[in-house]
Amino acid sequence: KAGVTQTPRYLIKTRGQQVTLSCSPISGHRSVSWYQQTPGQGLQFLFEYFSETQRNKGNFPGRFSGRQFSNSRSEMNVSTLELGDSALYLCASSLGFRSYEQYFGPGTRLTVT
Amino acid sequence: SQKIEQNSEALNIQEGKTATLTCNYTNYSPAYLQWYRQDPGRGPVFLLLIRENEKEKRKERLKVTFDTTLKQSLFHITASQPADSATYLCALVRDTDKLIFGTGTRLQVFP
Repeated sequence: KAGVTQTPRYLIKTRGQQVTLSCSPISGHRSVSWYQQTPGQGLQFLFEYFSETQRNKGNFPGRFSGRQFSNSRSEMNVSTLELGDSALYLCASSLGFRSYEQYFGPGTRLTVT
Repeated sequence: SQKIEQNSEALNIQEGKTATLTCNYTNYSPAYLQWYRQDPGRGPVFLLLIRENEKEKRKERLKVTFDTTLKQSLFHITASQPADSATYLCALVRDTDKLIFGTGTRLQVFP
């Protein structure tokens, strides 16, 4: 079974721009969560989607948004990028809601200059 | 505020020994706790999940304990190998809540 895939793997953007990251979960997994990982803050939860609905949200500003499609694929968007948004963005899928075993993708490395 | 603490310093041990990693938490009553392994430049990989009513869980060379009185989980790797070198993350969750990760402990196993 194919694992979680994320595209693109690397991205360089300029301050003020916006970015969209994509995640395809493991086949049959209906829950997708997004995390931001930085050396200083570690892994921080952004949001979780299940059946196209956001079920949980972390403490991030409204510039961070996401959505899930009917095939469980998910996208996250960051608008008005700031230097501090430079991070590894990880997507994880699980069978259902409530954050059981999470299967992570390789991540998208975003650099904001 | 809720806090999860893992040893920020790297743990260096000799091959064949048992590695023990600690995860302490405060102001939190997790329903269950998970351990993940993360290699540089890659996403975390799920290893073990233990529920609040379980004291211990094993999987091959891995053992996790969960003490809700001490608010602590211990993660053991027996007969450690250089291939076990990685960062290990603990994560806590209550039902319907988000997963909260510790900052991880880097384990280095040398021959």
